[in-house]
Amino acid sequence: DADVTQTPRNRITKTGKRIMLECSQTKGHDRMYWYRQDPGLGLRLIYYSFDVKDINKGEISDGYSVSRQAQAKFSLSLESAIPNQTALYFCATSDGDEQYFGPGTRLTVT
Amino acid sequence: GNSVTQMEGPVTLSEEAFLTINCTYTATGYPSLFWYVQYPGEGLQLLLKATKADDKGSNKGFEATYRKETTSFHLEKGSVQVSDSAVYFCALSGPMYSGGGADGLTFGKGTHLIIQP
Repeated sequence: DADVTQTPRNRITKTGKRIMLECSQTKGHDRMYWYRQDPGLGLRLIYYSFDVKDINKGEISDGYSVSRQAQAKFSLSLESAIPNQTALYFCATSDGDEQYFGPGTRLTVT
Repeated sequence: GNSVTQMEGPVTLSEEAFLTINCTYTATGYPSLFWYVQYPGEGLQLLLKATKADDKGSNKGFEATYRKETTSFHLEKGSVQVSDSAVYFCALSGPMYSGGGADGLTFGKGTHLIIQP
């Protein structure tokens, strides 16, 4: 089984809808991250968490929220999706230096 | 703040050619440096890393040396294969904002490598 899993893998939603992307990990890491990838822009950090009680904004947190339900679970929500949130979203975990990425969720907002 | 600049792509080479993908960075302190690879339809995988100046990271025939004097971490491979076709990301770890206390990787924009038979 994969160490970092993301659900769903693909999602199409309409403008204004609320959507949640989920991430689970079996690596036992405290640190978890959400990134988005856009063509030609690389990956940009949305939110990160050092443990269940510690949530921090990243570079591009506007329009997003997160929930750290347990050490192993970190969810990303779009309260009211808009088309420019169409992107590939990656969850990652860290042992303090190296990061381990999930397979990604491709989100399309129409 | 931290930033990573890598050469624009796509880079197209013939099989067995020599590869260099340039990467330079701006950072405070002493970051760790990474190369990640993304194969089509997949997530990112760590290719190699270096944690201090003059360290050389290597994996699968790829190498990169942490050059503090030139703030560079160029990726090289002596003889590329078709299976090396992917997008390559240079990244650094460390505080992302001048106020400190932040975390996460800072990525370059990625270089799409295409190897032709």
